[in-house]
Amino acid sequence: DTAVSQTPKYLVTQMGNDKSIKCEQNLGHDTMYWYKQDSKKFLKIMFSYNNKELIINETVPNRFSPKSPDKAHLNLHINSLELGDSAVYFCASSQSGTANEKLFFGSGTQLSVL
Amino acid sequence: GQQVMQIPQYQHVQEGEDFTTYCNSSTTLSNIQWYKQRPGGHPVFLIQLVKSGEVKKQKRLTFQFGEAKKNSSLHITATQTTDVGTYFCAGQTDSNYQLIWGAGTKLIIKP
Repeated sequence: DTAVSQTPKYLVTQMGNDKSIKCEQNLGHDTMYWYKQDSKKFLKIMFSYNNKELIINETVPNRFSPKSPDKAHLNLHINSLELGDSAVYFCASSQSGTANEKLFFGSGTQLSVL
Repeated sequence: GQQVMQIPQYQHVQEGEDFTTYCNSSTTLSNIQWYKQRPGGHPVFLIQLVKSGEVKKQKRLTFQFGEAKKNSSLHITATQTTDVGTYFCAGQTDSNYQLIWGAGTKLIIKP
């Protein structure tokens, strides 16, 4: 069983479209994250949720809207997609989002905006 | 803001040679973690260092945390093709649980 699973694995879409990426974790963790990895491999945190509450909201365009229906799920909706949104998006989770906790990552969603 | 600088960005080695990546933080860290991302894969946790001057080993991998808890290194002895990937360090401070990520070092094995 995959601990952190995200879908879809690949997403190819046109500029201006709206798309969603879903993430689920079965580890019983309280904290979930969305990371963006650009072509240079830099990992940038976008959002963090702890038990359905938004904890971290980095400088991300408001076209990106996370939603956490419960602590096991964190979805990412992107409106009006732009070319610069092309990247790999990783979902991750940790026990409680505090010190000394490792992150468990999903396998990533490669988003290509044409 | 708080930063973790990681060098080099790339390292090309012949199989069997050693590999080292270094991380340096602008502030004192409470802990540092290391992750490995295989090509096309996702970051996978390798280890966490918490104590000043700590050294941990995992087979051919040696991880160090500096005495001042501002720098760390990962050394791989006698690289193998299975070591290929990008290695990331990520640190936390006492004041902020958010991980501060290094830019990663890509290990490339020359054919």
